[in-house]
Amino acid sequence: ETGVTQTPRHLVMGMTNKKSLKCEQHLGHNAMYWYKQSAKKPLELMFVYNFKEQTENNSVPSRFSPECPNSSHLFLHLHTLQPEDSALYLCASSQEGWVAGEVDTQYFGPGTRLTVL
Amino acid sequence: GDSVTQMEGPVTLSEEAFLTINCTYTATGYPSLFWYVQYPGEGLQLLLKATKADDKGSNKGFEATYRKETTSFHLEKGSVQVSDSAVYFCALGAENQGGKLIFGQGTELSVKP
Repeated sequence: ETGVTQTPRHLVMGMTNKKSLKCEQHLGHNAMYWYKQSAKKPLELMFVYNFKEQTENNSVPSRFSPECPNSSHLFLHLHTLQPEDSALYLCASSQEGWVAGEVDTQYFGPGTRLTVL
Repeated sequence: GDSVTQMEGPVTLSEEAFLTINCTYTATGYPSLFWYVQYPGEGLQLLLKATKADDKGSNKGFEATYRKETTSFHLEKGSVQVSDSAVYFCALGAENQGGKLIFGQGTELSVKP
């Protein structure tokens, strides 16, 4: 059990829809992450939040809008997506990003499989 | 920039065969190195990690040694099982990038009975 949950697990949406992905971590961590996993490509880091503050935006298009209301919850708001945005979206958390000279271990949720029609 | 390269899959083995999945990296400084595993329909799980040169990470019969001289972190297991079928990801965490992980493209392993 990873302690990181994501809802919904599957989502189908049209290009004009607005939807949101939700991530919740039960581990008491302070850092949260959104990744995109497309077929045959490495995981792409999208956003990083540390203590509710966004510390990384990896050149993500504005049709993806993250929100971190507290250290336990992370949302990804979606609007006017394109078919090429279809992918598995993974959320992860870690105690902090960087602790005592070492990169902290990240714990992943099961992902949301998004299909954009 | 920093990067991770893994051997391409899929890798197909018979049960009890020896497994090696190669991983090499490019990074400045002294990164931490990780192997994650993704079972079908699930998210990634940490399999093992090593934080400095010559460290060996191990878990569930899998091992990997941090080799700075060859910039490698190859994953090995002496005897694979059908239940090891999954996608394996090598990743590095650079010390100068605030905890960000950089992943390889993943290697799919299929173990046949």
